[in-house]
Amino acid sequence: GQNIDQPTEMTATEGAIVQINCTYQTSGFNGLFWYQQHAGEAPTFLSYNVLDGLEEKGRFSSFLSRSKGYSYLLLKELQMKDSASYLCAVTDSNYQLIWGAGTKLIIKP
Amino acid sequence: IAGITQAPTSQILAAGRRMTLRCTQDMRHNAMYWYRQDLGLGLRLIHYSNTAGTTGKGEVPDGYSVSRANTDDFPLTLASAVPSQTSVYFCASSISGTSTDTQYFGPGTRLTVL
Repeated sequence: GQNIDQPTEMTATEGAIVQINCTYQTSGFNGLFWYQQHAGEAPTFLSYNVLDGLEEKGRFSSFLSRSKGYSYLLLKELQMKDSASYLCAVTDSNYQLIWGAGTKLIIKP
Repeated sequence: IAGITQAPTSQILAAGRRMTLRCTQDMRHNAMYWYRQDLGLGLRLIHYSNTAGTTGKGEVPDGYSVSRANTDDFPLTLASAVPSQTSVYFCASSISGTSTDTQYFGPGTRLTVL
């Protein structure tokens, strides 16, 4: 079956760096998305990776290793507003988007 | 402001009642989607539409129906609501039906079926 695994919850300190991991087992692969979702709000797009390597976008970076079925989202210089859930989603060989359950990130002062 | 709107914001519904959740986008996106989001689970696709006039079933379509009469609107209907349909429902759209496109989400409808 198809499966995406993320930690349920993580805690980090304001100003620090945090890495949120995502591992996946899907029938084929056509790209991986990261979305941010604040409590009670809609998911919003953060990043898209289809090739191996690191994509940097300001304080956020996303890494992909297709051979390992692994991605991570790296958040630097954490701010209180980064407290949210982070959703990993993979496009499989049928171009269906498979979503992980999300990682709730708690930022402490 | 361009985007996706959903109505109602929240609703409490008696089991067995019929309910239509509304979704409208003004971005002229071809593809639209309905998801449900439950605690501890990932977003699950209910139905989708790659272009006006066509619809398809997602992962959890039972008990739900959709229509796509035009580009902008994509209503989701629960013919006879059951408590297991209590959830937060998100409508989303993307430029095309290719899942490599970014999906843009509406604010959601919180539905409680008693």
